Amino acid sequence: QSVLTQPPSASGTPGQRVTISCSGSSSNIGSNYVYWYQQLPGTAPKLLIYRNNQRPSGVPDRFSGSKSGTSASLAISGLRSEDEADYYCAAWDDSLSGPVVFGGGTKLTVL
Amino acid sequence: EVQLVESGGVVVQPGGSLRLSCAASGFTFDDYAMHWVRQAPGKGLEWVSLISWDGGSTYYADSVKGRFTISRDNSKNSLYLQMNSLRAEDTALYYCAKDTGLVVITTGFDYWGQGTLVTVSS
Repeated sequence: QSVLTQPPSASGTPGQRVTISCSGSSSNIGSNYVYWYQQLPGTAPKLLIYRNNQRPSGVPDRFSGSKSGTSASLAISGLRSEDEADYYCAAWDDSLSGPVVFGGGTKLTVL
Repeated sequence: EVQLVESGGVVVQPGGSLRLSCAASGFTFDDYAMHWVRQAPGKGLEWVSLISWDGGSTYYADSVKGRFTISRDNSKNSLYLQMNSLRAEDTALYYCAKDTGLVVITTGFDYWGQGTLVTVSS
């Protein structure tokens, strides 16, 4: 059972906009930055969003992040077939069980 | 070019020990915290441990606390994970990852290795 809660799956058609949610608590998302990772099949994860809504260089602006209270979201606009991957959120957790927690991951399927 | 290359993953019996290594290059190693993250077959990512840039602070997931020890040798640009009392549930691909923060600790991992597979089985 992951500390951060993500839907196990999401889907969309090419060109659509999809969002993936990440729910936490006051000890993690509520008081710390959220990071998002993309893991393509058979590869190591890649940093997609840092500090809630910042994109590393090279990440297309089709990817955006947001945070409100104890929840965060990753939005992908103009969905493309190469976006089919697993997506994970992560945050620092101030509780004793921390300090770094991941969501369980969301498998995005491009129909 | 930043590179992280893990090694040391093998098949080990339950209760056994193992040391993983991660060789880093392409950045100033002693300016950044480093992490170990694992992924069991077909499962999600699980953070394991982190060490500060100077080795002065270490943190562990509850699932490995007391069994695993993270360390680093900044003179060799290397990160290590000593794994003792291994259990079947430790079976996973172990990644080392570089923290994004310059002499701070974040949960942003901007570079990852390709992982080394640890299998705990009799």
